[in-house]
Amino acid sequence: DSGVTQTPKHLITATGQRVTLRCSPRSGDLSVYWYQQSLDQGLQFLIHYYNGEERAKGNILERFSAQQFPDLHSELNLSSLELGDSALYFCASSLAGGPTDTQYFGPGTRLTVL
Amino acid sequence: GQNIDQPTEMTATEGAIVQINCTYQTSGFNGLFWYQQHAGEAPTFLSYNVLDGLEEKGRFSSFLSRSKGYSYLLLKELQMKDSASYLCAVSPPGGGNKLTFGTGTQLKVEL
Repeated sequence: DSGVTQTPKHLITATGQRVTLRCSPRSGDLSVYWYQQSLDQGLQFLIHYYNGEERAKGNILERFSAQQFPDLHSELNLSSLELGDSALYFCASSLAGGPTDTQYFGPGTRLTVL
Repeated sequence: GQNIDQPTEMTATEGAIVQINCTYQTSGFNGLFWYQQHAGEAPTFLSYNVLDGLEEKGRFSSFLSRSKGYSYLLLKELQMKDSASYLCAVSPPGGGNKLTFGTGTQLKVEL
């Protein structure tokens, strides 16, 4: 158990819908990262927040957005869902946000879009 | 950007030693991470290398050669529970820490 929590564990929804995934970092960690893992793409970086501020963005779609709240938990919002958005979404956290920080991953949310 | 290559699959015998290679091409470099991931589960941190050489941690060791853009993960005394995907990830230069992952090497440990 890494200490990172994610809810829900599973999510099944329909195309065109909007969902929110939630992540709580390890105690004391200030950085939160979101990754998407699909069968054909591997683990892809989406976005990084440090202490409430966006630090880096990957190939995140415009339909996706995220934020980190004052209590440091983070939410990833996915809207206008498409079949291709079906994937495992992982949140990770690290102590600070530097390039040598180890990232610890949560158990993931499995999203299925029907 | 970064380009990371790993073998797709490997098979080894319980009790043996296996070496999983990773090569990368990157415009800058702040270190290389290895993670283990069992199917449907979270990636688990194994090791981090930023300087050339070997880092040893129990049954797992990781090696880095920055000049060659090459790393390997060495697993000794293989156990059945080591059957998993092993992900190599590079930390790019600049601000932030957006790891770029390879597609992973699926290791199967057999009796």
